[in-house]
Amino acid sequence: DAGVTQSPTHLIKTRGQQVTLRCSPISGHKSVSWYQQVLGQGPQFIFQYYEKEERGRGNFPDRFSARQFPNYSSELNVNALLLGDSALYLCASSLVGETGPDNQETQYFGPGTRLLVL
Amino acid sequence: AQSVTQLGSHVSVSEGALVLLRCNYSSSVPPYLFWYVQYPNQGLQLLLKYTSAATLVKGINGFEAEFKKSETSFHLTKPSAHMSDAAEYFCAASFTGGGNKLTFGTGTQLKVEL
Repeated sequence: DAGVTQSPTHLIKTRGQQVTLRCSPISGHKSVSWYQQVLGQGPQFIFQYYEKEERGRGNFPDRFSARQFPNYSSELNVNALLLGDSALYLCASSLVGETGPDNQETQYFGPGTRLLVL
Repeated sequence: AQSVTQLGSHVSVSEGALVLLRCNYSSSVPPYLFWYVQYPNQGLQLLLKYTSAATLVKGINGFEAEFKKSETSFHLTKPSAHMSDAAEYFCAASFTGGGNKLTFGTGTQLKVEL
């Protein structure tokens, strides 16, 4: 079975531009989460979507937005790019949207999209 | 504030030696805890997870971790390091009420030397 896929793998943009990153979850998974990993740091939570509804949002400016489609794939959009947006953007999918003691939930991560803003 | 702390951004061990990577959490209610590994230019792979079923958790590739509530810790160990274990390791927590949002530590780069 295919894992989480992300496109593109690499992207170079200039300041002020807009970018769209895409994620396809594992078949049957209904939850998608986005994380930003700046070089040398751990991933930071940006968004979670479950059944096409926003379930959670991290501490990111409104320039960041996302959506989930009926087939559960997802897009992350970033407007007015800044140099500081340069990072690896990770997508993770899971069956459901909660972690619990009876729910052996696991988030599976894609390989990421590496964004460089010049 | 709820947080995850990894002590030691870089750890170096000899091949065959014990691996010990430290992780502590800060929250009034114990979270669910995870260890992920990241190889260069790749995404994250789950090593193991603690979801209150057992305090000693065994994962893939010979790794295990022990949850200690009194110490708010979830340290990762492996009895004998292998060259292929060289990678970056992240401890993460899913805190109560956070959906399945993961809060990550800053990571520990493991180097394995001959």
